[in-house]
Amino acid sequence: DSGVTQTPKHLITATGQRVTLRCSPRSGDLSVYWYQQSLDQGLQFLIQYYNGEERAKGNILERFSAQQFPDLHSELNLSSLELGDSALYFCASSVESTSGTDTQYFGPGTRLTVL
Amino acid sequence: AQKVTQAQTEISVVEKEDVTLDCVYETRDTTYYLFWYKQPPSGELVFLIRRNSFDEQNEISGRYSWNFQKSTSSFNFTITASQVVDSAVYFCALLASGAGSYQLTFGKGTKLSVIP
Repeated sequence: DSGVTQTPKHLITATGQRVTLRCSPRSGDLSVYWYQQSLDQGLQFLIQYYNGEERAKGNILERFSAQQFPDLHSELNLSSLELGDSALYFCASSVESTSGTDTQYFGPGTRLTVL
Repeated sequence: AQKVTQAQTEISVVEKEDVTLDCVYETRDTTYYLFWYKQPPSGELVFLIRRNSFDEQNEISGRYSWNFQKSTSSFNFTITASQVVDSAVYFCALLASGAGSYQLTFGKGTKLSVIP
């Protein structure tokens, strides 16, 4: 158990809908990262937040957005869902020194199925 | 751009055999970090090891060992005396900054099946 929690574990929804995935980092970690794992693209970095502020952006679609709250939990919002958005979404957290090179510990993931 | 290549898509071994998972990386950074993660059938990603680019000392931890060679840009992972519980997908990952912030780039993974 990495100490990173994600809810829900599974999510089934329809095309065009909007969903919110939630992540709580390990105690003491300030950085949260979101990743998408799909059969086509593999594991891809989406976005990073550090202490409430966006720090880095990867291959995140404009239909997707995220935020980190004062208690450091984070939410990933996916809107106008398409079939291709079906994937396993991981959250990771790290202590995050100023170098940005800390080890990332991953949560159990949320499996999103878009029908 | 950063790139990680795991040429072996799937490997099957019989229990107690040794197995090596290959990883080749590309980066122009002089300082970077390499990782191995394990994804068992249950789906979670489990951190196994981290190596810094300035530390080429190889490591052994129980049945696991890692061989980091900067000259060939490789970071290979060996399991000795494999067990059924080692069956999982193993991901090699590179943390480098390129022209911007540090980002973790994963290889496509190697699926290891250990047959009893």
